[in-house]
Amino acid sequence: EDKVVQSPLSLVVHEGDTVTLNCSYEVTNFRSLLWYKQEKKAPTFLFMLTSSGIEKKSGRLSSILDKKELFSILNITATQTGDSAVYLCAVVTYKYIFGTGTRLKVLA
Amino acid sequence: DAEITQSPRHKITETGRQVTLACHQTWNHNNMFWYRQDLGHGLRLIHYSYGVQDTNKGEVSDGYSVSRSNTEDLPLTLESAASSQTSVYFCASSDGTSATGELFFGEGSRLTVL
Repeated sequence: EDKVVQSPLSLVVHEGDTVTLNCSYEVTNFRSLLWYKQEKKAPTFLFMLTSSGIEKKSGRLSSILDKKELFSILNITATQTGDSAVYLCAVVTYKYIFGTGTRLKVLA
Repeated sequence: DAEITQSPRHKITETGRQVTLACHQTWNHNNMFWYRQDLGHGLRLIHYSYGVQDTNKGEVSDGYSVSRSNTEDLPLTLESAASSQTSVYFCASSDGTSATGELFFGEGSRLTVL
């Protein structure tokens, strides 16, 4: 059975801290891995990763995929209160399989 | 702008009633998906479709049905609503052949079954 596991489940940090969110997976027919940010409504797209070892970066957020060890990490540097959200990882096979998410709270 | 819309956004119903949640996308995407989101479970796949007349069961399909008569719409029907189906429902779509790239989400429909 395909499985996507995110850790930690929740995290509380202070503004300016750096956080690392983890997503590990066991699936057949891996195609890509997606990261989303969800505030109070629909998830919004952050990154798509298909190749191992190539970092995707957008501002303070970055992500990398390790296809050998079957995981991805999402890094957020210099966190701000606006980064408070649930971060979702989805592995794409012939469908999209989501982890349970990591709830991040950034305190001022 | 292309978009994906869900209706109703909020609904309260009673146990045993039939409920239909609508999903309409204007991207002309082949692939459409219905998820439910509950605390502690993340997004769980209910049903999905890769094109007109194609429908498939996801991991939590019991008590739900879908039909795909055109590219734009994938309505989700709860045949006889149960309290366990109280949840937030998200419709999503993606381009390409089966699941490939970015998944685009609707704004969600919050369903309460009393």
